[in-house]
Amino acid sequence: DTEVTQTPKHLVMGMTNKKSLKCEQHMGHRAMYWYKQKAKKPPELMFVYSYEKLSINESVPSRFSPECPNSSLLNLHLHALQPEDSALYLCASSQDRGQGYNEQFFGPGTRLTVL
Amino acid sequence: AQTVTQSQPEMSVQEAETVTLSCTYDTSENNYYLFWYKQPPSRQMILVIRQEAYKQQNATENRFSVNFQKAAKSFSLKISDSQLGDTAMYFCAFMRPLGGATNKLIFGTGTLLAVQP
Repeated sequence: DTEVTQTPKHLVMGMTNKKSLKCEQHMGHRAMYWYKQKAKKPPELMFVYSYEKLSINESVPSRFSPECPNSSLLNLHLHALQPEDSALYLCASSQDRGQGYNEQFFGPGTRLTVL
Repeated sequence: AQTVTQSQPEMSVQEAETVTLSCTYDTSENNYYLFWYKQPPSRQMILVIRQEAYKQQNATENRFSVNFQKAAKSFSLKISDSQLGDTAMYFCAFMRPLGGATNKLIFGTGTLLAVQP
């Protein structure tokens, strides 16, 4: 299995709602990533988990709360979002070898719209 | 800090023809990795080709090849025999060889390629 899956594909939420995005991989990868991508822009890194521990937080607002309950699963909990948070949210995973290059495999993304 | 520049926001090519997408980058590192990613309208980000900076030989993957000029910090992508399925946003990306999950991908702004029938 060489795929990263993300659910849901689309999500519409109000500014007072609480929702979660889910990402799953079964490639034995120990690093998982959340990216935010606005239309016609490159992905922007939000969070990185390494061996289920948060290793990078790119100064993301606290209304985004990541969680890595196990090595295969990554969640992004959303609360009190703003319309400008509407974007494509991409998950990726990779090996976490100490040396060299670890290819990141991307999921298809969740298209989030905040009303 | 590393930067990646793609100076062509949009390009168009006829089916079966060849097109070259440009990318330049800035770094003081001697060892690093460069990538071209493809993101079709379906949104899935797919790795097209990878180049290790310590390798002088240009990478090739079927119809895709790169022209890596380390001294000029240039990394262009050539697509031969363009197909309609090549229509996508193409991102050039840079990675430092730190190892582990701290290997951040630094993306360029992207080039939207349209293959015309």
